[in-house]
Amino acid sequence: GQQVQQSPASLVLQEGENAELQCNFSSTATQLQWFYQSPGGSLVSLLSNPSGTKHTGRLTSTTVTKERRSSLHISSSQTTDSGTYLCAIASSGSWQLIFGSGTQLTVMP
Amino acid sequence: AQTIHQWPVAEIKAVGSPLSLGCTIKGKSSPNLYWYWQATGGTLQQLFYSITVGQVESVVQLNLSASRPKDDQFILSTEKLLLSHSGFYLCAWSLMGTEVFFGKGTRLTVV
Repeated sequence: GQQVQQSPASLVLQEGENAELQCNFSSTATQLQWFYQSPGGSLVSLLSNPSGTKHTGRLTSTTVTKERRSSLHISSSQTTDSGTYLCAIASSGSWQLIFGSGTQLTVMP
Repeated sequence: AQTIHQWPVAEIKAVGSPLSLGCTIKGKSSPNLYWYWQATGGTLQQLFYSITVGQVESVVQLNLSASRPKDDQFILSTEKLLLSHSGFYLCAWSLMGTEVFFGKGTRLTVV
């Protein structure tokens, strides 16, 4: 079945630095989303990007479908960016969104 | 605008007691609905999905059941809780093949 690997598992930055998060998946994905999970647990959808490059605010996601990988770039990190970033994939014809184990980001002041 | 509401926000329940968690989606007609579960420190797992009223498919067997009694309502339940049911339960919705949106979740502690 589909597997999703995220790296790094954790990342510590100083405020203002950029972050690069990676997501690799084992099978072709027709749906790919990046989520932010707050320390309290709630999930916020950041970007839906099954292919190509998408930007929103300080976030840029690039997905290379053939290579089964996606990245999330966070520019000029802020302390409020701290939390867990999750990548989730769905394959064609599947109703199941498979999640990676996440990257825990800590941004220090 | 669409909203998703989950209840309760948190529960502490005894082993062997029944459970019912609810989720309501407003502002979208005939959404696909999902239940997810996350053990403390664990990965999110999809439990159930429903594409129409009255039809629910199980993805992972955890001695839980789900029902969709109305187009905008999704219920997760069990008659007997286990310690292993503790964790964070999230309801979500999407339209066909599009972005998935989550509720704020219910934190369940089984003692």
